[in-house]
Amino acid sequence: ETGVTQSPTHLIKTRGQQVTLRCSSQSGHNTVSWYQQALGQGPQFIFQYYREEENGRGNFPPRFSGLQFPNYSSELNVNALELDDSALYLCASSSDRGRRETQYFGPGTRLLVL
Amino acid sequence: AQSVSQHNHHVILSEAASLELGCNYSYGGTVNLFWYVQYPGQHLQLLLKYFSGDPLVKGIKGFEAEFIKSKFSFNLRKPSVQWSDTAEYFCAVIPGGYSSASKIIFGSGTRLSIRP
Repeated sequence: ETGVTQSPTHLIKTRGQQVTLRCSSQSGHNTVSWYQQALGQGPQFIFQYYREEENGRGNFPPRFSGLQFPNYSSELNVNALELDDSALYLCASSSDRGRRETQYFGPGTRLLVL
Repeated sequence: AQSVSQHNHHVILSEAASLELGCNYSYGGTVNLFWYVQYPGQHLQLLLKYFSGDPLVKGIKGFEAEFIKSKFSFNLRKPSVQWSDTAEYFCAVIPGGYSSASKIIFGSGTRLSIRP
């Protein structure tokens, strides 16, 4: 267990819908990163939040957006869902945004888009 | 583009065999290197990491990795595997240079199956 929790564990949506995924960071961590893991692939970086501000973004379209709250929990929102958005979504928290900080991963939310 | 290559998609070994999983990255500057492991039904967790200094790093559960800068490689090794090492293994890189985001770039993973 890493102390990072995510909800829900599984979700089924249809194309065009919107989805919100949630992440609760490990206590004391102010940085959260989100990753998308398609079946048979390694996780891909979506974006990172540091103290409630976006701190870097990967190669994902603007319909992927996020929030980080004052308690450092976080949300990932995806609008206009597409079939290819079906994946495991992972969040990872760390005690700071530096490259040497270990990122602790949650169990993930498995999203299926029909 | 920055990338991480893992040469083996699926490796099958018998218990007590030696293990080496290959990893190469394409980035010319300073890098921070990692191996993560995902046991069946569990969270992705850090196995070991390299930032600087001794290129041979030791991790948890008897794993080690060697950073060879001239080959852009960071191979994972274990002298004698156990059935409990059955898992998915991911090599990963955080490129250096000016960036405030600690963005991890993962390889596609190697599935390790150990025969009892």
